[in-house]
Amino acid sequence: NAGVMQNPRHLVRRRGQEARLRCSPMKGHSHVYWYRQLPEEGLKFMVYLQKENIIDESGMPKERFSAEFPKEGPSILRIQQVVRGDSAAYFCASSLQGPANNEQFFGPGTRLTVL
Amino acid sequence: DAKTTQPPSMDCAEGRAANLPCNHSTISGNEYVYWYRQIHSQGPQYIIHGLKNNETNEMASLIITEDRKSSTLILPHATLRDTAVYYCIVRGDSWGKFQFGAGTQVVVTP
Repeated sequence: NAGVMQNPRHLVRRRGQEARLRCSPMKGHSHVYWYRQLPEEGLKFMVYLQKENIIDESGMPKERFSAEFPKEGPSILRIQQVVRGDSAAYFCASSLQGPANNEQFFGPGTRLTVL
Repeated sequence: DAKTTQPPSMDCAEGRAANLPCNHSTISGNEYVYWYRQIHSQGPQYIIHGLKNNETNEMASLIITEDRKSSTLILPHATLRDTAVYYCIVRGDSWGKFQFGAGTQVVVTP
């Protein structure tokens, strides 16, 4: 059973460009979470989605960032007009049921570098 | 969700047991204790979780004190591949995001 998959693993963008990060949850998982890890810091929660619904986006920056988890296909984290401060590792996790008493399984991450 | 306190670092000899402490003195009755680890910037890896009873799986054991204000993660026979940052997290049984602190950097030496 494949684990959580993220692509690309590494992404380089110039300031002002758009970054799209993809996450395919584990088979059968319908709950997806995105976290960001800045250099030398711990992971910070960004957003929690179920299929076609955003459940909690309290950790998302108010501007330029958006996330979706369509009925078909992977979850997408989109960053518009990237700035150097967006350089970080972005991790996706999934769980089988809701987050209550359910461990989240993490993907390998996407490392975004903004030049 | 309750906050946790962990030592910033600890060393452990290969083959010996590693005992990782975690304080969570403000934990409430419906909050679980979770342990994750992150090996060299890889994605965090789930280790174990529990509510009040001690738990054991193929990776580790989790010992929770009777008052639930602290816990210890035990890696019974540490190997070099166990070198990682270990995170202790408490989270409620309703929706509660995982809040990762600084964790404990564990270095296993030969």
